Amino acid sequence: EAGVAQSPRYKIIEKRQSVAFWCNPISGHATLYWYQQILGQGPKLLIQFQNNGVVDDSQLPKDRFSAERLKGVDSTLKIQPAKLEDSAVYLCASSDYNSPLHFGNGTRLTVT
Amino acid sequence: DQQVKQNSPSLSVQEGRISILNCDYTNSMFDYFLWYKKYPAEGPTFLISISSIKDKNEDGRFTVFLNKSAKHLSLHIVPSQPGDSAVYFCAASLETSGSRLTFGEGTQLTVNP
Repeated sequence: EAGVAQSPRYKIIEKRQSVAFWCNPISGHATLYWYQQILGQGPKLLIQFQNNGVVDDSQLPKDRFSAERLKGVDSTLKIQPAKLEDSAVYLCASSDYNSPLHFGNGTRLTVT
Repeated sequence: DQQVKQNSPSLSVQEGRISILNCDYTNSMFDYFLWYKKYPAEGPTFLISISSIKDKNEDGRFTVFLNKSAKHLSLHIVPSQPGDSAVYFCAASLETSGSRLTFGEGTQLTVNP
């Protein structure tokens, strides 16, 4: 089966600019996650979708981060405006019920 | 509040020997535990898991042990191979479905030929 697809792989922006990441989960996976992994740390959950509804966004900095999953398939994560501390790898994952999370290769964001 | 901790940032072992990676957690409500392996420039990949009702799960060269009273789990790799060199993340979930994972900081394992 095709894995979780993410784009772009790398992105460099200046602080206060905006950026968007895209994720296409494994076909048929109802649950989609966005994780943030800062260098030297483990991935941290930002938001979880079940189909196109939000299950958990308690750790999403909603003043600058937004995410949507239209039609319950693809998802986009946006940061506006970006800060230096947003530099990280943004990982998308998907899962079926009672199955482990499958991760994409991530988008490495550098904010200068 | 770091609920899942991996206190060893790195571990180096010789090929053929045992690798033991450790993980501690603080939340007694965690119900499901997983180990993920990550190579550079790739996303984490699932390795092995264990339910809180078990104390051991084995899959080939990989065995995970869970000590609920100590809130501690470990991953044993026997025998270790150079291809096992990667960052290993311990993760925990409040749900038996294994969703909404909380990750540790990771341990870089290096297996020397």
